[in-house]
Amino acid sequence: KAGVTQTPRYLIKTRGQQVTLSCSPISGHRSVSWYQQTPGQGLQFLFEYFSETQRNKGNFPGRFSGRQFSNSRSEMNVSTLELGDSALYLCASSLASGASSYEQYFGPGTRLTVT
Amino acid sequence: AQTVTQSQPEMSVQEAETVTLSCTYDTSESNYYLFWYKQPPSRQMILVIRQEAYKQQNATENRFSVNFQKAAKSFSLKISDSQLGDTAMYFCAFHTGNQFYFGTGTSLTVIP
Repeated sequence: KAGVTQTPRYLIKTRGQQVTLSCSPISGHRSVSWYQQTPGQGLQFLFEYFSETQRNKGNFPGRFSGRQFSNSRSEMNVSTLELGDSALYLCASSLASGASSYEQYFGPGTRLTVT
Repeated sequence: AQTVTQSQPEMSVQEAETVTLSCTYDTSESNYYLFWYKQPPSRQMILVIRQEAYKQQNATENRFSVNFQKAAKSFSLKISDSQLGDTAMYFCAFHTGNQFYFGTGTSLTVIP
C-alpha cells in the first residue's frame, strides 16, 4: 500500500498570501488529521476530517481551514499568512474504525516558509 | 484539559546501551490509547509502540518497551541495545475523544 502523501513538500510564501496544502491518505483510511509542527512546540492539532466532515478542531484561528473530499483526500488552507505560520505541516491518516483505528500514519509533511 | 509532558528535551545514549524516555499525561478520561512516535532527522514520523489504557500488561516491540503506570499517568519508553538508527525525535501521544494529544518531544542522539 502506498503511504500518506503530501504536496507540495516545500513552499515559500510572503506575508498576506494564502496557501493550500494537499494530503492523500492511505487507501481505505477515512480519517485525516492535520498538525502544525514547530521547534519547541511539538505537534499542535489543527483539525480532523472523517467522511468529509470536520470531526474535531484545535485551537487555531479561522485563517486555518480544511476540507475532505469523497475519496478521503484532504486539503488545508491558510489565508492571510503570517510569519508565525512558518512550520512543518503534517497530515496523518487512520482507519478510524476497529482495533487499530487509533494508529495514525504520517505523511512526510509540507515545509512552509513565510517571508 | 488533556496534556502530555515530556520533561527531557534532549538525551543521549551510547550505542548498545539502554535509555528511558519519560512521558506523563493528564486526562480525566478512562478510555484512551497511548503511543510513542519516532521522527528521524528529515524523515517521516513512524509509530514505535502503542498501549491500550485498559491493558495492564506493558507493550513490547522488539527492543522497545513501555512502562505504563496508569495511576501515576506515566508512560515511559525504554530502548534497549540502542542503535545509531534510533537517533531521532521521539513524541509521546495519547488518543481520546477522537483526538490525539502530543508532547513536545525528546531529541535522542545515539553516540557511536
